[in-house]
Amino acid sequence: QKEVEQDPGPLSVPEGAIVSLNCTYSNSAFQYFMWYRQYSRKGPELLMYTYSSGNKEDGRFTAQVDKSSKYISLFIRDSQPSDSATYLCAMSKRNFNKFYFGSGTKLNVKP
Amino acid sequence: GAVVSQHPSWVICKSGTSVKIECRSLDFQATTMFWYRQFPKQSLMLMATSNEGSKATYEQGVEKDKFLINHASLTLSTLTVTSAHPEDSSFYICSARLAEGGDYEQYFGPGTRLTVT
Repeated sequence: QKEVEQDPGPLSVPEGAIVSLNCTYSNSAFQYFMWYRQYSRKGPELLMYTYSSGNKEDGRFTAQVDKSSKYISLFIRDSQPSDSATYLCAMSKRNFNKFYFGSGTKLNVKP
Repeated sequence: GAVVSQHPSWVICKSGTSVKIECRSLDFQATTMFWYRQFPKQSLMLMATSNEGSKATYEQGVEKDKFLINHASLTLSTLTVTSAHPEDSSFYICSARLAEGGDYEQYFGPGTRLTVT
């Protein structure tokens, strides 16, 4: 079993829709949770970072962590065609020695 | 923001030859750099962690004699794929951690696509 599971998609939504991206994990030692956006043939770009359970909002993006369920989410409001990319979740233990990535969900926002 | 570059962005080489990939932090010092490998539609797989001035730490299953990593300065790390074979064809991405700042601040390079024929 992979330590981080993420539905690869693709996920196709119309412009303006609310997008929900999710990851599950199995290791209760994970303390830090990140979301990255990766455009085709580019390196990942950090979008959101959260620590432990709770919500964090940044503009149109909201990251949510539920440690009891080992489940994290990224919500995108008012999605735009420019949001079309692959979204990777990542998590780390307290020491940050290693990041564990999901396989990424490919999102396509149609104009 | 913090910028990480990689060179080359893509390379094609013949089986049996060696290829060097450079990773540079352009506007910050990075005590730690990470090398990842990404296959199509798959996750980033950490290959090794390199700290400036010391030997790299390789993940289980990664051949250290095949993937040579050198982190000679706070702004440069190199990955050399020795005696490359077609199965080494992949997208190689480096990332750099700021010497100062939150431990989660890991900035990624644009990646290098290696094709071995």
